[in-house]
Amino acid sequence: QVQLVQSGAEVRTPGASVKVSCKASGYTFTVYYLHWVRQAPGQGLEWMGRMNPNSGGANYAQKFQGRVTLTRDTSISTAYMELTSLSSDDTAVYYCVRDRIGDRPGMDVWGQGTTVTVSS
Amino acid sequence: DIVMTQSPDSLAVSLGERATINCKSSQTVLNNSNNKNSLAWYQQKPGQPPKLLIYWASTRESGVPDRFSGSGSGTDFTLTISSLQAEDVAVYYCQQYYNTPQRTFGQGTKVEIK
Repeated sequence: QVQLVQSGAEVRTPGASVKVSCKASGYTFTVYYLHWVRQAPGQGLEWMGRMNPNSGGANYAQKFQGRVTLTRDTSISTAYMELTSLSSDDTAVYYCVRDRIGDRPGMDVWGQGTTVTVSS
Repeated sequence: DIVMTQSPDSLAVSLGERATINCKSSQTVLNNSNNKNSLAWYQQKPGQPPKLLIYWASTRESGVPDRFSGSGSGTDFTLTISSLQAEDVAVYYCQQYYNTPQRTFGQGTKVEIK
């Protein structure tokens, strides 16, 4: 079945970086854009950016420009989100999400989420 | 940036009764090219990722019960649960995809049983 499986929980100290992986299966990885969305504890959903797995090109939310990088390895159908200069405000669950565009648009497949905790 | 504002922040509804959630965008999300609104609704249950319910403001995703319906156009939208079931307890989010690739979500509306 179609699924996105993310890497496990991470704990980092302030100022460090984190890289989360997202492995796609059950569909052609390069056909669908992938977004990254985060959710701080008890808070709503925040869009971080979108990557085109075919070209490798990415667009980022203004808030995260310069601090987030989206990459992929098409040989293993895996996307990555790296966030640098972490602070306690970055403590959140991070989701990778498939973007279905065209006649039936929507974020239709979500990873299980990766909890990133930033604490000294 | 398009700002999405939902109301109310939370509501409690009796089982079998109607639940109505509103979503307002800071600018129109109506596409002139296809006359469709680039607005989606998601449901998030505790401890789970969100689930796509509705796209194009009113088209139900495959497998979504027909008690869920979406309406509205331009800047004002509504998600209605016609007869609330226990399994509908969740937080609901609206999202615009008009300003692609950017996506913005409303702050969420928590639906509980009265």
